[in-house]
Amino acid sequence: KQEVTQIPAALSVPEGENLVLNCSFTDSAIYNLQWFRQDPGKGLTSLLLIQSSQREQTSGRLNASLDKSSGRSTLYIAASQPGDSATYLCAPFSGTYKYIFGTGTRLKVLA
Amino acid sequence: EAGVAQSPRYKIIEKRQSVAFWCNPISGHATLYWYQQILGQGPKLLIQFQNNGVVDDSQLPKDRFSAERLKGVDSTLKIQPAKLEDSAVYLCASSLEDPTDGYTFGSGTRLTVV
Repeated sequence: KQEVTQIPAALSVPEGENLVLNCSFTDSAIYNLQWFRQDPGKGLTSLLLIQSSQREQTSGRLNASLDKSSGRSTLYIAASQPGDSATYLCAPFSGTYKYIFGTGTRLKVLA
Repeated sequence: EAGVAQSPRYKIIEKRQSVAFWCNPISGHATLYWYQQILGQGPKLLIQFQNNGVVDDSQLPKDRFSAERLKGVDSTLKIQPAKLEDSAVYLCASSLEDPTDGYTFGSGTRLTVV
């Protein structure tokens, strides 16, 4: 059974800092892993999708890496901004074609 | 392309009442998922449809929850009777038949049971 852990659970930083959010998962037999952003009271927005054959994906100030064999992924946010404040969720895709979610990292970027 | 549509956005009901949520997936998406997200937790899969058939409903509390996807397009999730612990955001997502390219979530329905 896939279990997903995200560290830290919460993070508060001043604007401009570079951040690393960590995700670990117990079943390495995944097809891909997706990072999502969730604003309070809203649905999930896909940020980055990394296929199991890839090591990393980049989109603007975001970079996600995947080490499938060790069951780890990291989301790197460069030059953080107050607009980045949200909850970030990672979800490996495995088993009978479904995403299993961690509990998320709540990020607050202070102006 | 239009996104995943969900309604209503918010619902407040008393315990033991019934409630229904509706989801219209992205056109052409064969797979539809309902997730439950309790405050402070990650989303948990309730049920997964492929076209109009159920693929996985192992975590659906079948004594009170039911879901259908008639004609393989839109879907309805029902709770009857509701309990206080059902207060959560109910998220619908859809994907192509090969879901390895990821899926798209709707904005969710926030349910409060009082």
